[in-house]
Amino acid sequence: AQSVTQPDIHITVSEGASLELRCNYSYGATPYLFWYVQSPGQGLQLLLKYFSGDTLVQGIKGFEAEFKRSQSSFNLRKPSVHWSDAAEYFCAVVRSNDYKLSFGAGTTVTVRA
Amino acid sequence: DSGVTQTPKHLITATGQRVTLRCSPRSGDLSVYWYQQSLDQGLQFLIQYYNGEERAKGNILERFSAQQFPDLHSELNLSSLELGDSALYFCASSASGKNTEAFFGQGTRLTVV
Repeated sequence: AQSVTQPDIHITVSEGASLELRCNYSYGATPYLFWYVQSPGQGLQLLLKYFSGDTLVQGIKGFEAEFKRSQSSFNLRKPSVHWSDAAEYFCAVVRSNDYKLSFGAGTTVTVRA
Repeated sequence: DSGVTQTPKHLITATGQRVTLRCSPRSGDLSVYWYQQSLDQGLQFLIQYYNGEERAKGNILERFSAQQFPDLHSELNLSSLELGDSALYFCASSASGKNTEAFFGQGTRLTVV
């Protein structure tokens, strides 16, 4: 069963516009939640993480994500995208009783001028 | 630079052959994870080691094996290679076994011809 769902395969956004990437997970308990970014030909870089506490977490490169337990979601946002934000974004989870870091299918972001 | 080193960066080999991919984790990290990334399967968790012992297993084929050595570096062995094994193989490391924050290497691109 898919543990992590990223509903959007591809999103195109204009430079300077806001961006929101969706992520849903399917565990009963609150897992550890992560967002990673992968630029072409590169490895994955951690943008932000959520373990507990404040449900709005700030990350690098101006990204933030909000954990909503009622919706089993952990959506990633950026108020104003830059051309350098064009990349593939992965949501990932680790269940609190598991050691496996499971990834969603990824969302490819294209930024148009 | 994540601090995780993978060698080689690229590998081209023939079907039926065996290859070894190497990963050096970040200094001080005890956990090493291996992932396979392909266009059709996305990012698939293969296996995790913690301080030399296998901790979690994912979608790893019987033709594949891994180990973590006393100096904490890890090797992923792929044997009887098939065309479908062509993929990007990532190694990640984290300080603890709970995957609190995983750092990824640049990957090894394996091409089986």
